[in-house]
Order: sequence, then structure tokens, then C-alpha cells
Amino acid sequence: ETGVTQSPTHLIKTRGQQVTLRCSSQSGHNTVSWYQQALGQGPQFIFQYYREEENGRGNFPPRFSGLQFPNYSSELNVNALELDDSALYLCASSLGHPGQGINSPLHFGNGTRLTVT
Amino acid sequence: GEDVEQSLFLSVREGDSSVINCTYTDSSSTYLYWYKQEPGAGLQLLTYIFSNMDMKQDQRLTVLLNKKDKHLSLRIADTQTGDSAIYFCAAPKVTGTASKLTFGTGTRLQVTL
Repeated sequence: ETGVTQSPTHLIKTRGQQVTLRCSSQSGHNTVSWYQQALGQGPQFIFQYYREEENGRGNFPPRFSGLQFPNYSSELNVNALELDDSALYLCASSLGHPGQGINSPLHFGNGTRLTVT
Repeated sequence: GEDVEQSLFLSVREGDSSVINCTYTDSSSTYLYWYKQEPGAGLQLLTYIFSNMDMKQDQRLTVLLNKKDKHLSLRIADTQTGDSAIYFCAAPKVTGTASKLTFGTGTRLQVTL
């Protein structure tokens, strides 16, 4: 069973640039969620994808967007990067129908550490 | 207030038991989770408990749930230096069509010799 994999592991960008982070979900999982973890904080929900559509969003601006592909892998795109976007971005996959509760545990990847200078 | 609250820091001696506590607000949570995060790493699912259970034991880990008080605890028996990490309590929340996990700020466990 392949776990959740994310790429790249580290990234340095300049303010104003755009970034794309990638995630491959765990085998058999159909739902992908993205979380932002600032230093010293717990992860914060960005959004969730199910059946290639955004299924729900946390308190993040529209410059945070994403995609889910037919093989359930996903991308997180952030435009017009700001210094406060520096964080660990975590992808998590699960199996189930969102909106009916999380009926299987979320499995996280190791994250992408984004630094914006 | 915060949806999930945890104390920030716990220090124990190797071989002792560790107890990490968590309170949550959403009574509709079906499962409650404990994740472990080592430095520079992602979140590792440690264990979880279904909301109709009071206790779950898994090797050195014991989870206790007091649903009335919305209190969750994680006990680690015979704590080892490899247990040093940040432990997050997480509760699911359904908002519209999305199911998300709400995390506490994490409890840093320090294990001393």
C-alpha cells in the first residue's frame, strides 16, 4: 500500500510569485484535503477535493486554488505569494463521501515546506 | 473559543507514563484522532476512537473519551525518548459538503533520561 506522497519537499519562492504543490493520494483513497501549518501551530484546513471538484473551503483567499485529477492525485496552487504564506503544506487523503463525516482516518503526507522571501 | 484545546508542553522521564489531554467543542464528532509530528515531518496517525467508545487500547497507547465533558486523553505507557514529538488532537467537523479536521495547537512531549 502506497502512502501519501508530496512534492517537492522544500521550496523557496519570492513574494508575488506563484507556486504549485503536488500530492499523490494513498492507494484506494478518493478524497484529498490540503492543510496549511504555520510554525508552532496546528494545521488549518484549506480545502477538500472529491470527484475532481472542490468540496469545501476553509478561511483562505481565492488565490489558493487546487485541482484533483481522475487518479485522485491533487495540486495546490498559490498565486501572488505573500510572506505569511510561508508554512508547511500538508496533503491528506481519505476514503469516503465528504459531508457524511470523515468515515475513514485522514492519512497525511510529509508535507512541502514553502518559504516565501 | 477554540474548537480544540490542548496544553502546550509536557515533560516526563523515560519509563514513566505520559498523559496528554484535549478538550473539544463539536459534539457531533464521530471519530476523534491523535496524530504525532516529529521535527520536520508530516503528521502520523497514532490512533483514533469512535465517539460511542469510552476507551481504546493499542499496545502502549490508551485513549480515554469522556463525551459528556468533551474531553479526550492519550496515555503513553513506558514513555521512550523516541516518543518525543508534538501530539495533536483532532476532531472532524462537517461544514456544508466538506468534512475537515480541526486540530489543537499540539502538545510538545519532551522525554528526559
